Amino acid sequence: RKEVEQDPGPFNVPEGATVAFNCTYSNSASQSFFWYRQDCRKEPKLLMSVYSSGNEDGRFTAQLNRASQYISLLIRDSKLSDSATYLCVAMDTGRRALTFGSGTRLQVQP
Amino acid sequence: DTEVTQTPKHLVMGMTNKKSLKCEQHMGHRAMYWYKQKAKKPPELMFVYSYEKLSINESVPSRFSPECPNSSLLNLHLHALQPEDSALYLCASSQPLMSTDTQYFGPGTRLTVL
Repeated sequence: RKEVEQDPGPFNVPEGATVAFNCTYSNSASQSFFWYRQDCRKEPKLLMSVYSSGNEDGRFTAQLNRASQYISLLIRDSKLSDSATYLCVAMDTGRRALTFGSGTRLQVQP
Repeated sequence: DTEVTQTPKHLVMGMTNKKSLKCEQHMGHRAMYWYKQKAKKPPELMFVYSYEKLSINESVPSRFSPECPNSSLLNLHLHALQPEDSALYLCASSQPLMSTDTQYFGPGTRLTVL
């Protein structure tokens, strides 16, 4: 079983749609969580950290449920520029090692 | 400024060559990382340096040799690589004292081994 699991997609959505990505993690030593965005042939870029209380950054909302070991990302009012691969990431804070999910590909269509 | 720079951007090398990848950050971060990313796969951790000391080696073959000359620089020395080592090599840095310890990635070096 992979440590971080995501639906690989692709998710093909029209502009303006709301889309939700889910992720589960299995390593109970994971203490910090992130969503990164990666465009084709580019480096991963931090989208947002994920907190148990839930956090929002503009059109993006992230949630963490430690009891269920589940992380989510909600994107509202999708833009063409949101097309990318979204990587769910867990960090074992003691080791400072990031474990990436396989990524979910989003394609926003006009 | 959350910039991590990497050189070269692209590298083609033969299996008998010796080359080095370089990474630099000026954010005062004291942890630096090497990741390897194959096509259509997520990044995989190779090495972690914390306060210029190697703290994690994820069972990486000895043909990859990391070096951290100072708190701003991280090198990856390559020798006798195999074609399957062709990948995007990503450097990242973070500030280990911060509660979330967010890692920021450089643009990567795209390595092709012939």
